[in-house]
Amino acid sequence: EDQVTQSPEALRLQEGESSSLNCSYTVSGLRGLFWYRQDPGKGPEFLFTLYSAGEEKEKERLKATLTKKESFLHITAPKPEDSATYLCAVQEERDYKLSFGAGTTVTVRA
Amino acid sequence: DAGITQSPRYKITETGRQVTLMCHQTWSHSYMFWYRQDLGHGLRLIYYSAAADITDKGEVPDGYVVSRSKTENFPLTLESATRSQTSVYFCASSERTSQPQHFGDGTRLSIL
Repeated sequence: EDQVTQSPEALRLQEGESSSLNCSYTVSGLRGLFWYRQDPGKGPEFLFTLYSAGEEKEKERLKATLTKKESFLHITAPKPEDSATYLCAVQEERDYKLSFGAGTTVTVRA
Repeated sequence: DAGITQSPRYKITETGRQVTLMCHQTWSHSYMFWYRQDLGHGLRLIYYSAAADITDKGEVPDGYVVSRSKTENFPLTLESATRSQTSVYFCASSERTSQPQHFGDGTRLSIL
């Protein structure tokens, strides 16, 4: 069965203090790994899809990377508006369902 | 505006009552999904649909019923609500299997 583990559960950063979030996964064959951002009271908002090991995607201060066993979401020089819960999800080759991790809640202080 | 909308946003009901959560998308996406989100569990898939009149169970389907008579609508019904079904429910859709799912803003359901 798919398993997705995100760490840490919570991350408190000072504005400008770069850091990384981890998403480790176990699937028999990966179709895609998805990163989402979720703000309080809102639905998850799509950020990136990664399909193969070595792939990288960037958007503003966020950069996602993928290996065969894990993905990292790097936040460079974060701002308070980057505060949110970041969710990782994997999709297995033989299926189109997503399995989500529990998320990392990031708080960026000014 | 194009997108995915859920209604109601908030609902309070009593145990044993039937309640239906609505989901409507304007993209004509083939795939639609229902999740519940609880502290400590993250998002868990309840039911999904690959097209109109095609539905299948997810990870936690017990106590829920879905239908999909039209591509754009995917209602979720709790036939006899229980307190364990108190949760935030999210609907999502995607165009193809490899494409990202796009989520609505959820329905916060409380069962007393």
